Amino acid sequence: NAGVTQTPKFQVLKTGQSMTLQCAQDMNHEYMSWYRQDPGMGLRLIHYSVGAGITDQGEVPNGYNVSRSTTEDFPLRLLSAAPSQTSVYFCASSPLAGGHGNEQFFGPGTRLTVL
Amino acid sequence: GENVEQHPSTLSVQEGDSAVIKCTYSDSASNYFPWYKQELGKGPQLIIDIRSNVGEKKDQRIAVTLNKTAKHFSLHITETQPEDSAVYFCAAKEWPGNQFYFGTGTSLTVIP
Repeated sequence: NAGVTQTPKFQVLKTGQSMTLQCAQDMNHEYMSWYRQDPGMGLRLIHYSVGAGITDQGEVPNGYNVSRSTTEDFPLRLLSAAPSQTSVYFCASSPLAGGHGNEQFFGPGTRLTVL
Repeated sequence: GENVEQHPSTLSVQEGDSAVIKCTYSDSASNYFPWYKQELGKGPQLIIDIRSNVGEKKDQRIAVTLNKTAKHFSLHITETQPEDSAVYFCAAKEWPGNQFYFGTGTSLTVIP
């Protein structure tokens, strides 16, 4: 299993540009989530999904959209990038159900810079 | 929502000594408390977790304790080694609900 994969690893955008961060998992996990990591602030939840077709907002959803058309994929869209969105973005997945249902597996991250 | 505080933000210990990182949470309904280790340039990796019906859990050199009454939980690493150097995050999962709330991280340095 590849686990959780994210693309791209690095990205530089100009203010106002849009882009999609890709996330995929091959573990058949129901739960997927997106976090941003900023210095001194830990990881903050942006959006999450408990299954295909179901998404919900986390702590910091403004400026981001998500969709979940398949179990495997959970893309994060920046509609109009702003410098405040410069961050490292992590995708994570979890089986949700069962004895280890809460354990989250993280991808390697995408470092995004918005100029 | 839940609020998780983590201390200290940085910690240096001599190789072989113990390290303790503490977290507090605000929502008494939270029921799952994982700890993650993040090495430079990588995503966080789960190292140990504890559920609210358990007071302590051990896995070799690492242990986690939970005090539900005081709403705090701690990570203990014994016989530290240089490869333990990393950033450690605590988290709490609310119940009911599916959101995880993370602490701000502790940068641990083990000095050989």
